[in-house]
Amino acid sequence: NAGVTQTPKFQVLKTGQSMTLQCAQDMNHNSMYWYRQDPGMGLRLIYYSASEGTTDKGEVPNGYNVSRLNKREFSLRLESAAPSQTSVYFCASGEVLKNIQYFGAGTRLSVL
Amino acid sequence: RKEVEQDPGPFNVPEGATVAFNCTYSNSASQSFFWYRQDCRKEPKLLMSVYSSGNEDGRFTAQLNRASQYISLLIRDSKLSDSATYLCVPLGGDKLIFGTGTRLQVFP
Repeated sequence: NAGVTQTPKFQVLKTGQSMTLQCAQDMNHNSMYWYRQDPGMGLRLIYYSASEGTTDKGEVPNGYNVSRLNKREFSLRLESAAPSQTSVYFCASGEVLKNIQYFGAGTRLSVL
Repeated sequence: RKEVEQDPGPFNVPEGATVAFNCTYSNSASQSFFWYRQDCRKEPKLLMSVYSSGNEDGRFTAQLNRASQYISLLIRDSKLSDSATYLCVPLGGDKLIFGTGTRLQVFP
């Protein structure tokens, strides 16, 4: 049972480069989320999707875009990476009524 | 005031000890609360939900004090495998609000 799968696990970018982080879940959850985690800051919500076809901004959306491709997949795109986007990115999925989220293993991104 | 405040620790305790963490939250309207556990360089995982009447899951006991807006987690008979960061997570509206966590280190 894979749960939530994120790719890639590690990535190094140069300032200005673009990339897409992929996330897929096999738990048939309606809601999916993207977070970033920085030292001393805790997890901060970037974007979320309450259901297929909808996306909403979280606490720190600037510099990111998302696509809810289908119920399973939710991708996060950095159009022009900046050093401030160096972080660990976590994707999560969950059922809103239960308010429990299941996380992927994370993507460690460095922007030089 | 931060939405969720936790003592970052670390709490260094010997095996077999009892340790307690507290967390305060600012949103008095929060209705649901959780403790997540995060191992070093891993993803957060749900440890337990926190119910109004308090609840226990094996060696772990969670309690909620709505009047003072704090949540606690008690770990009895600490194991080496309990070493991790414990995240306090109230529900703010329809989103989970993650605390920065309290680090626990259990030593032999």
